[in-house]
Amino acid sequence: EAGVAQSPRYKIIEKRQSVAFWCNPISGHATLYWYQQILGQGPKLLIQFQNNGVVDDSQLPKDRFSAERLKGVDSTLKIQPAKLEDSAVYLCASSFDRDRGREQYFGPGTRLTVT
Amino acid sequence: KQEVTQIPAALSVPEGENLVLNCSFTDSAIYNLQWFRQDPGKGLTSLLLIQSSQREQTSGRLNASLDKSSGRSTLYIAASQPGDSATYLCAVRSYSGSARQLTFGSGTQLTVLP
Repeated sequence: EAGVAQSPRYKIIEKRQSVAFWCNPISGHATLYWYQQILGQGPKLLIQFQNNGVVDDSQLPKDRFSAERLKGVDSTLKIQPAKLEDSAVYLCASSFDRDRGREQYFGPGTRLTVT
Repeated sequence: KQEVTQIPAALSVPEGENLVLNCSFTDSAIYNLQWFRQDPGKGLTSLLLIQSSQREQTSGRLNASLDKSSGRSTLYIAASQPGDSATYLCAVRSYSGSARQLTFGSGTQLTVLP
C-alpha cells in the first residue's frame, strides 16, 4: 500500500513570497490533515478535511494560510505572504475516516525555510 | 485544553539497555493515545495505538501502557539498538475542546550508543 505522498520535500523562500505544498493521501482515506511542526515541538493541527469539506480549521492563520481539497483526494496548502515564523515542517496525514479511534498515517513532510 | 508533556526531552543510553519514555496529559477524557517515531527529515511512523479502554499494547520490543485516570502513558523499549535512535512522540485524542484533534507532546529524542 502506497503511503502519504508530499511535495516538494524542501523549499526555501524569502519572506513575503508565496509557497504551496501538495499532498496525496492513502487511497480510500476520506480524512486528510495538515500539521505544522516547528523545530523542537510536536506537530500542531492546521486544518482537517473530511472528503472535500473542512471539518476543523480553528488553528489555521486564515489571513495568510489557505488550503483546499478538490474532489476529496489531493490537497494543497498555501502560504501568502510567508513570514519568518512560518519556517517549519509541514506534515500531511490521512485516516480512513473521522472515527476518533482510527490511526493517522503521515507523509514525509515539506521542510520550509523562510529567509 | 489538553496539554501533553514528555519527559525527558532527550535521552542517551548504551546499546542493550531497557528504557522507559514518559508521557503525561492533563485531561483524562481521551479516545486513545498514540506513540510515534520520527527520524530526522522524515514524517511520523505510528508505533502503537492504545484505545481508552485498553491498558497496554505490545509490538515486538515495544510495550506501551496507559493509565487514563492518572493521565500517564509509558513506552518501554527492551534491549535497545542503535537503530532505535529517533524522536518519540506521544499524542492523545481528546473528548474536550476540538475533539477531532490529536494533541502532541514535544517528544523525547533518543540516542542509543553502539
